Amino acid sequence: DVKVTQSSRYLVKRTGEKVFLECVQDMDHENMFWYRQDPGLGLRLIYFSYDVKMKEKGDIPEGYSVSREKKERFSLILESASTNQTSMYLCASSLTEGIYGYTFGSGTRLTVV
Amino acid sequence: RKEVEQDPGPFNVPEGATVAFNCTYSNSASQSFFWYRQDCRKEPKLLMSVYSSGNEDGRFTAQLNRASQYISLLIRDSKLSDSATYLCVVNLDMRFGAGTRLTVKP
Repeated sequence: DVKVTQSSRYLVKRTGEKVFLECVQDMDHENMFWYRQDPGLGLRLIYFSYDVKMKEKGDIPEGYSVSREKKERFSLILESASTNQTSMYLCASSLTEGIYGYTFGSGTRLTVV
Repeated sequence: RKEVEQDPGPFNVPEGATVAFNCTYSNSASQSFFWYRQDCRKEPKLLMSVYSSGNEDGRFTAQLNRASQYISLLIRDSKLSDSATYLCVVNLDMRFGAGTRLTVKP
């Protein structure tokens, strides 16, 4: 089974801190994604990547950046955390063809105080 | 118009009921469609793919209507354990619907 691992289950950070959320997948998937999930808003796409060193903005990239230096790892960076970035962050991966859907990590619940 | 739209519910049904959810999408070029199930405080997990000809997996049936641009999920003989939020995703868009919450009651 594909495994997508997110480094932290819960995080508490202070406003203004730089925050790194790490995601690693072990099945050689080309595509990786970062979503945030908030009550009533569903899953919103922040950034995605089709290949190493490649990144594309999703629907809500403001305040975030990403890094993909290796195929298996996709990092989400909050340059200066703000309270409105308190959310559940979900990483996902998929094959290029996308025919098998997405596999998600277990999520990181980030609280910015 | 959002790329993917779902009725948020909630759907509250008794055990044994049949319930159906729809999900509309805006990109007519979309090729891959999926239903996911998400339990409270858990990540979404793939429930089933949606094939052009429709497909069935036990009590679950998924269908695609390209002309009207929607997919559907039918659950027969609902169980308490079916209580969850059901999300649709249109692969070309990488966008998920906001989810439909189902509660099955005794």
